[in-house]
Amino acid sequence: NAGVTQTPKFQVLKTGQSMTLQCAQDMNHEYMSWYRQDPGMGLRLIHYSVGAGITDQGEVPNGYNVSRSTTEDFPLRLLSAAPSQTSVYFCASSYSQTLLDNYGYTFGSGTRLTVV
Amino acid sequence: DAKTTQPPSMDCAEGRAANLPCNHSTISGNEYVYWYRQIHSQGPQYIIHGLKNNETNEMASLIITEDRKSSTLILPHATLRDTAVYYCIVRVPLTGTASKLTFGTGTRLQVTL
Repeated sequence: NAGVTQTPKFQVLKTGQSMTLQCAQDMNHEYMSWYRQDPGMGLRLIHYSVGAGITDQGEVPNGYNVSRSTTEDFPLRLLSAAPSQTSVYFCASSYSQTLLDNYGYTFGSGTRLTVV
Repeated sequence: DAKTTQPPSMDCAEGRAANLPCNHSTISGNEYVYWYRQIHSQGPQYIIHGLKNNETNEMASLIITEDRKSSTLILPHATLRDTAVYYCIVRVPLTGTASKLTFGTGTRLQVTL
């Protein structure tokens, strides 16, 4: 089934632990991004990538690393988990994302992360 | 950096049309307007998008004013399953030629019996 696959769906971490949230898409989309969503807030952009080998920071990048070695995969790494990183994380992909494009996003189903 | 304004919440009776308004007064002439919805804590789901003309698909209709400063998403026969947060979105530039879709807090639509 074509789409964006996120793993794991749920995760509990202890403060200071590290982990990687996986995101994979099979639609040959160039653009991929990570958002976090906190209660009562909209989605905030963490990092994004416009193609393999190219990544950039979004609004809230601190504490997170990304890499894009292939078109299909865009993992998000938490370096040293903190309670403030408790959130729902969404990965999204798109064919393109220039300012005048009319391509929307396809979202994954999310990863619910709790840091204790 | 949200470029759209939506009411925080709306109610609609099941079977009636739900009309969700959005103001985007700073939109430029070539920027599209997108609508997404999010049910519970699932990933946002694409509904429809448009530039100047009204658009319709199997989920909804999008009415864009002639001056493009506002739009209305219409769910013609709302059902309980349409209860969700609806986001009206225009693009925000990033570095270089990249842009992003900015999700604000949206409109929480409650469909009731």
